Amino acid sequence: GQQLNQSPQSMFIQEGEDVSMNCTSSSIFNTWLWYKQDPGEGPVLLIALYKAGELTSNGRLTAQFGITRKDSFLNISASIPSDVGIYFCAGRSSGGGADGLTFGKGTHLIIQP
Amino acid sequence: KAGVTQTPRYLIKTRGQQVTLSCSPISGHRSVSWYQQTPGQGLQFLFEYFSETQRNKGNFPGRFSGRQFSNSRSEMNVSTLELGDSALYLCASSLGVWASTGELFFGEGSRLTVL
Repeated sequence: GQQLNQSPQSMFIQEGEDVSMNCTSSSIFNTWLWYKQDPGEGPVLLIALYKAGELTSNGRLTAQFGITRKDSFLNISASIPSDVGIYFCAGRSSGGGADGLTFGKGTHLIIQP
Repeated sequence: KAGVTQTPRYLIKTRGQQVTLSCSPISGHRSVSWYQQTPGQGLQFLFEYFSETQRNKGNFPGRFSGRQFSNSRSEMNVSTLELGDSALYLCASSLGVWASTGELFFGEGSRLTVL
């Protein structure tokens, strides 16, 4: 199946810092999604991207669909304690396929007091 | 608007038993997908149902099965449970077949522990 490499695996930051994480794929995707998962909860959709080069914001979050269609980035500005959680990227290839969305392994965001 | 509802939230089973998990999608959503989440493997796609038909299936053994009812509610079943089946099982709904938008809305999951 398709593989998504998400990095970094974890981030330890100070409150107020900006955060950047990314996902890369060996395959071309035509949809990129970013989710956040809090402990004991299901993932919540943050941002959806459908077009190469697209840059979309949701409050302090900004995500971009890479121009090569093989990568995507998520930035969080001025982090706050409630940003703590696991962030997942997910992609869907243009050929569709029997494996639904492919998810990255997640980036654990930890905010140090 | 109610979100995706999964039951039960937690359950403990022993090896060899079978389990049925239930999912009620967001009202108006006709597609339901199931994912298995484990610390080692992350989120892995099980299957997707749309209009009571299985549209896509992931690489899981035949012990994993599912179905969808006419009201879009879905169930998944795992037979002959193994220790490695311990995981968080997530259900996600979307308006149409995932292929159209890819936007999935997840439930809180059913955490299965196999002893």
